[in-house]
Amino acid sequence: NAGVMQNPRHLVRRRGQEARLRCSPMKGHSHVYWYRQLPEEGLKFMVYLQKENIIDESGMPKERFSAEFPKEGPSILRIQQVVRGDSAAYFCASSPTGTGSPEAFFGQGTRLTVV
Amino acid sequence: AQSVTQLDSQVPVFEEAPVELRCNYSSSVSVYLFWYVQYPNQGLQLLLKYLSGSTLVKGINGFEAEFNKSQTSFHLRKPSVHISDTAEYFCAVSAQGAQKLVFGQGTRLTINP
Repeated sequence: NAGVMQNPRHLVRRRGQEARLRCSPMKGHSHVYWYRQLPEEGLKFMVYLQKENIIDESGMPKERFSAEFPKEGPSILRIQQVVRGDSAAYFCASSPTGTGSPEAFFGQGTRLTVV
Repeated sequence: AQSVTQLDSQVPVFEEAPVELRCNYSSSVSVYLFWYVQYPNQGLQLLLKYLSGSTLVKGINGFEAEFNKSQTSFHLRKPSVHISDTAEYFCAVSAQGAQKLVFGQGTRLTINP
């Protein structure tokens, strides 16, 4: 049973470009979460999605960031017009249920570097 | 809202020595508590979790943690560490019924031979 798969593992973008980060949840999991880890900091919640629905986006920056989890295919975190401050590790997690224990299984992350 | 404070940013210990990583949280509602480990350039792996019941929770790799409601703490312990335990450790909390985790800043555990 494959775990949470994120790709790419490393992504380099120039300022002003777009970054697309992909996350395939564990088999049987229908809930996806995105977290961001800035250098020397803990993880910060960004967004919680179910298939075709955004449930909680309270941690998403108001501009340039968007997320989706389509009916088919992986969840995508999209960052438009990247800036140096977007450089971070972005982690995806998935869980099988939407209530009760929020035990989440994490992917290995995508490390975004903006140059 | 919930918050988590990990009191030590770095903890150096000698191999085979005991270790305690401290975690305090604040919340106005009942919570679930977690410890995750992150090895270099890896994702997070769940070490253990407290949902309810016994306040002493045993996890993987010989780690355990004790939930202390009166002190709002969830300290992680291991009686004898190994070089392979070198990693970053994160305490996390979620409100019961909520889905998002709130993480502490992390504690870097370094094991010296």
